[in-house]
Amino acid sequence: EVQLVESGGGLVQPGRSLRLSCAASGFSFGDYAISWVRQAPGKGPEWISFIRGKAYSGTIEHAASTRGRFSISRDDSTRIAYLQMDDLQTEDTAIYYCTSGEDYYDFRSGSYRGTMFQFWGRGTLVTVSS
Amino acid sequence: DIQMTQSPSTLSASVGDRVTITCRASQSISSWLAWYQQKPGKAPKMLIYKASTLQSGVPSRFSGRGAGIEFTLTISNLQPDDFATYYCQQYYRHCSFGQGTNVEIE
Repeated sequence: EVQLVESGGGLVQPGRSLRLSCAASGFSFGDYAISWVRQAPGKGPEWISFIRGKAYSGTIEHAASTRGRFSISRDDSTRIAYLQMDDLQTEDTAIYYCTSGEDYYDFRSGSYRGTMFQFWGRGTLVTVSS
Repeated sequence: DIQMTQSPSTLSASVGDRVTITCRASQSISSWLAWYQQKPGKAPKMLIYKASTLQSGVPSRFSGRGAGIEFTLTISNLQPDDFATYYCQQYYRHCSFGQGTNVEIE
């Protein structure tokens, strides 16, 4: 059974940092893209970042909204992915989900594609408030 | 960035109905589209990927169609468990979601 378990959320003051972790089990971790998706209260999901699997050298893509403040990483040996969040703002308050999905390379066009979010964790709540 | 627009925002229906949700992309995304179902307090669940491929375990009353810029999710014979919010998501370039469609009981 695929399991993704997020941890590291909590209450943090504006301008501070937080690191989220995602522990994975039940699938070949290194072969899949790992993404972070957040959902603010009453809003739809928002993709933040993903890191491709080893077949695509773990290359990273970031959404424009968090580029420069958030960074994603993975340790295939421990099957854990991370999201480092710096200079947090009140608008970053959300449930943060870790997801896994297949990597895609479009051979016809010679381009990398994004990823879909096949499996989800239960999420961890991040509240940014003074 | 690729913008995804869903319609309608809210859909009222009854058990047994056939309902269709539309998702339009701001540019062609070929068939790089997924659909998700989300219930209150839960993480989204993937239903369909590659525009029309049903995720394992998803009931066959769910179906997806489309390519290019216009896509549909159809639920035939709506069941009580299907009342939820549905999102489309493109993965042609990076990733982005539609704003959601709430399927509510009429």
